[in-house]
Amino acid sequence: GNSVTQMEGPVTLSEEAFLTINCTYTATGYPSLFWYVQYPGEGLQLLLKATKADDKGSNKGFEATYRKETTSFHLEKGSVQVSDSAVYFCALGGGNKLTFGTGTQLKVEL
Amino acid sequence: DVKVTQSSRYLVKRTGEKVFLECVQDMDHENMFWYRQDPGLGLRLIYFSYDVKMKEKGDIPEGYSVSREKKERFSLILESASTNQTSMYLCASSLGTSGSFVDTQYFGPGTRLTVL
Repeated sequence: GNSVTQMEGPVTLSEEAFLTINCTYTATGYPSLFWYVQYPGEGLQLLLKATKADDKGSNKGFEATYRKETTSFHLEKGSVQVSDSAVYFCALGGGNKLTFGTGTQLKVEL
Repeated sequence: DVKVTQSSRYLVKRTGEKVFLECVQDMDHENMFWYRQDPGLGLRLIYFSYDVKMKEKGDIPEGYSVSREKKERFSLILESASTNQTSMYLCASSLGTSGSFVDTQYFGPGTRLTVL
């Protein structure tokens, strides 16, 4: 079946540091890939998505590229801010549902 | 903006009680979903619905049931709450274009349920 593996957290960075959160997947067919973000005390919201190989999703300075050859969808940001502190979920859309990773907590300090 | 609301942010119930969690969306979405979120396990799908009165089991339906009598409302029911159902419950909805279940999902703020 489909599965998503993402790096464990928490990840702690200083403000303006470079961020990478790794995500790899296992799937049959041609899934869509998503990054969702959950700020403290809130539900999840879509951060970005990519629907086919080599697509790049981007939003709010975050980027991720759908790499079919490495089955990966790593999340990157060039310069993080304190306001980016949240839990980030990688998700795969295939079959009739979304499959989520376990989430990676990001803490950004001044 | 799509808005998904859940009836309670925090709920405390006793073992054996019947518990209702309500979810309402205001964007005429076809699909609605119930997940539970637990540390280290991410989100796990309990049930979903693609139309009024239609429901499908997700990955962990045991101990839960659902009801969708109106398009905008999707209820999760714990028939007899147990302590292992203490969790964060998240409701979501999606447009359902051409019967797809992999559209962007819009989430409510969650209900933190504690069963004593």
